[in-house]
Amino acid sequence: AQSVAQPEDQVNVAEGNPLTVKCTYSVSGNPYLFWYVQYPNRGLQFLLKYITGDNLVKGSYGFEAEFNKSQTSFHLKKPSALVSDSALYFCAVRVLYGNNRLAFGKGNQVVVIP
Amino acid sequence: DTEVTQTPKHLVMGMTNKKSLKCEQHMGHRAMYWYKQKAKKPPELMFVYSYEKLSINESVPSRFSPECPNSSLLNLHLHALQPEDSALYLCASSQELPGNTIYFGEGSWLTVV
Repeated sequence: AQSVAQPEDQVNVAEGNPLTVKCTYSVSGNPYLFWYVQYPNRGLQFLLKYITGDNLVKGSYGFEAEFNKSQTSFHLKKPSALVSDSALYFCAVRVLYGNNRLAFGKGNQVVVIP
Repeated sequence: DTEVTQTPKHLVMGMTNKKSLKCEQHMGHRAMYWYKQKAKKPPELMFVYSYEKLSINESVPSRFSPECPNSSLLNLHLHALQPEDSALYLCASSQELPGNTIYFGEGSWLTVV
């Protein structure tokens, strides 16, 4: 079964420091991986995705993610965190064709400290 | 434009009420979804419509009744809900292929009293 794991519950980072949110995946076949962000009292916003091709994917708001097949990871990164990046981040994997669903990780609360 | 519009944003209903949540997208997407989300938890899939036909029902209680009147609209009819059904209900849409992005609306906050 397709699944992702987000090992940390909360990530605390000082403003201006690099931000990393970890995600590992378990899939059969090629993974379709996504990152979403949820600001307080809002819906989910799409950040970026990996389908195929370049292992470094660039997305919205200065975020990027690196697909690492050998480590089965898809960590989300931002070089310099902003206080406004404080939010809930979800990693997700799209289940195989013919079965329209996303399998989400448990989510990571990111707190950027001024 | 990657917008999924949901109404109402907030809904308070009694356990005997009948109400509906509405969702609209104009991106030409042929798959539409309802998710339920509790605070600080990942969204849980409820229903998937594919080309206006119900393709997935994740064993959702019958007090939740989805409807897809056309390719742009998705409704969720609510009847005889329980307090534990209070949650954020998210609508989403996408094209069919697994590489396509699923776009979410802002959600409808439901409180059952």
